[in-house]
Amino acid sequence: EDKVVQSPLSLVVHEGDTVTLNCSYEVTNFRSLLWYKQEKKAPTFLFMLTSSGIEKKSGRLSSILDKKELFSILNITATQTGDSAIYLCAGGRGSTLGRLYFGRGTQLTVWP
Amino acid sequence: DGGITQSPKYLFRKEGQNVTLSCEQNLNHDAMYWYRQDPGQGLRLIYYSQIVNDFQKGDIAEGYSVSREKKESFPLTVTSAQKNPTAFYLCASSMTGVPNQPQHFGDGTRLSIL
Repeated sequence: EDKVVQSPLSLVVHEGDTVTLNCSYEVTNFRSLLWYKQEKKAPTFLFMLTSSGIEKKSGRLSSILDKKELFSILNITATQTGDSAIYLCAGGRGSTLGRLYFGRGTQLTVWP
Repeated sequence: DGGITQSPKYLFRKEGQNVTLSCEQNLNHDAMYWYRQDPGQGLRLIYYSQIVNDFQKGDIAEGYSVSREKKESFPLTVTSAQKNPTAFYLCASSMTGVPNQPQHFGDGTRLSIL
């Protein structure tokens, strides 16, 4: 059975802290690991990772994939209140992805 | 500009009633998806379609039905057989045939029971 497990499920930090969100996966014919940020409504795409060990970076956010150990991490440095959201991780199969397998998400709350 | 439109934003269902959630995209994407989100549960796949006139059940299809008569439209019907329909419903779409294309999401429909 394909599954994606995220930890922690919730996290509360203060502005300026650095956080690490974890995602482990068991997906048959695994191809890609995706991260999304969901505030109130639509999840918005953050990163897609297909190669092991290559960090992807966007501002204060970065992510890396380990295909040997079957996990990914999402780092957020110098957190801001606007980073408060649910962060979703998903695994995709095959070369054209098709359906995704989502984890339960990590609810991040950043206090001022 | 291009995107995915879900309507209505809020919907109330009476006991024994079927309701239909609309999802329209103008991104020219072949694949479309319906997810259900409950608090603390992440996204669970209900149905998906990778081409017009074809669709597959996801992990929680019971009590739901879909159609895909047009490329841009993928409506979801929540039938009276779905005993616990209260949830946030998200529609997504993606390109097929092109590697590494992420899914893009609409703003969702929140369904509640009256």
